[in-house]
Amino acid sequence: DVKVTQSSRYLVKRTGEKVFLECVQDMDHENMFWYRQDPGLGLRLIYFSYDVKMKEKGDIPEGYSVSREKKERFSLILESASTNQTSMYLCASRPGTIGSNQPQHFGDGTRLSIL
Amino acid sequence: AQSVTQPDIHITVSEGASLELRCNYSYGATPYLFWYVQSPGQGLQLLLKYFSGDTLVQGIKGFEAEFKRSQSSFNLRKPSVHWSDAAEYFCAVAPGGNAGKSTFGDGTTLTVKP
Repeated sequence: DVKVTQSSRYLVKRTGEKVFLECVQDMDHENMFWYRQDPGLGLRLIYFSYDVKMKEKGDIPEGYSVSREKKERFSLILESASTNQTSMYLCASRPGTIGSNQPQHFGDGTRLSIL
Repeated sequence: AQSVTQPDIHITVSEGASLELRCNYSYGATPYLFWYVQSPGQGLQLLLKYFSGDTLVQGIKGFEAEFKRSQSSFNLRKPSVHWSDAAEYFCAVAPGGNAGKSTFGDGTTLTVKP
């Protein structure tokens, strides 16, 4: 079974802090994704990566950056956390090329609160 | 760009009753379609997917979905709901040839009455 592990289930940070969310997958998947999930808004794509050191903006990249130095790890960075970034963050991975029809595998999420 | 609509925010059914969750999509060609389930405090788990071929697809946990091109729909069904099916369900659509660019619906929360 594919395992996507997010480093924290719950995280509380303060406004203005730099926040790192980590995600690791154990199946050598090429593609990795970061979403945020808010009530009534479904999942919104923040960033994704289809290869090491490659990244592309999703639908809501503002205020976020990402890093993918190794294939198995995809980090989401909040450069200066703000209260409107309080949310559930979901990481996902997927095998194959960008055109692959394989579905995504999700981690259990990190519930981030910014005070 | 593709879009997906789940018209029902919340559905309540009795245990043992049948279930249908609606999903409508907008996309110019044949899309890839997915249904995921999210239990409280968990990530999303794939229930089933459709790419081509037979328009009735079977998934895990006794779920099935039917692709209807004429109605731009991909409704999820289960003949007899169990209390453990209570969760949030997401429909997702992706352009053919690029499942990585999935767009998710807002979700439908299922409550199961004993």
